[in-house]
Amino acid sequence: KQEVTQIPAALSVPEGENLVLNCSFTDSAIYNLQWFRQDPGKGLTSLLLIQSSQREQTSGRLNASLDKSSGRSTLYIAASQPGDSATYLCAVVYSGGYQKVTFGTGTKLQVIP
Amino acid sequence: EAQVTQNPRYLITVTGKKLTVTCSQNMNHEYMSWYRQDPGLGLRQIYYSMNVEVTDKGDVPEGYKVSRKEKRNFPLILESPSPNQTSLYFCASRGSNSGLTFGTQYFGPGTRLLVL
Repeated sequence: KQEVTQIPAALSVPEGENLVLNCSFTDSAIYNLQWFRQDPGKGLTSLLLIQSSQREQTSGRLNASLDKSSGRSTLYIAASQPGDSATYLCAVVYSGGYQKVTFGTGTKLQVIP
Repeated sequence: EAQVTQNPRYLITVTGKKLTVTCSQNMNHEYMSWYRQDPGLGLRQIYYSMNVEVTDKGDVPEGYKVSRKEKRNFPLILESPSPNQTSLYFCASRGSNSGLTFGTQYFGPGTRLLVL
């Protein structure tokens, strides 16, 4: 069974700092990996999607990397802002015909002004 | 506007009273899925559907049913709800066509369910 772990569980940083969130998965046979943010009491907003054949994706201040062989993905946030405060989730889609999805445990980020 | 809609958004019910949470997407996506989110347990997949009339169990399917008779709709059915099904439920869809959004999951706003 695929297990997806995110470290750290919570992170507090001053505004302007660059930061890295980690996502580890146990089964490297993945279809893709997606990063989301979730604000309190709200739904999920897609940030970045990395296909299994890709190494990284970028969107604005966000950069996500994927290393299937080591079972790791990182989300890099540059020049953090208070508006980045949210819970960040990674989701792994299994490869093969079934394409089940496993979510990570999440990292709660607080950016202090 | 491309979106996934869920109804109702909030629901309070009693043990044993059958209920249905509807989910609809307007993006012509083949793949649809239901999740529940619980504190300390995160998001867990209940059921998913690869296409019309094709459904399969996720990690926590017990106590739930689904059907996929039309491509755009994927209702979640609780035949006999119990208090341990109190949770926040999300529906999601994902396309398999090529393009920039290939494989991206889009989530509905969530349905908060309380079973007394």
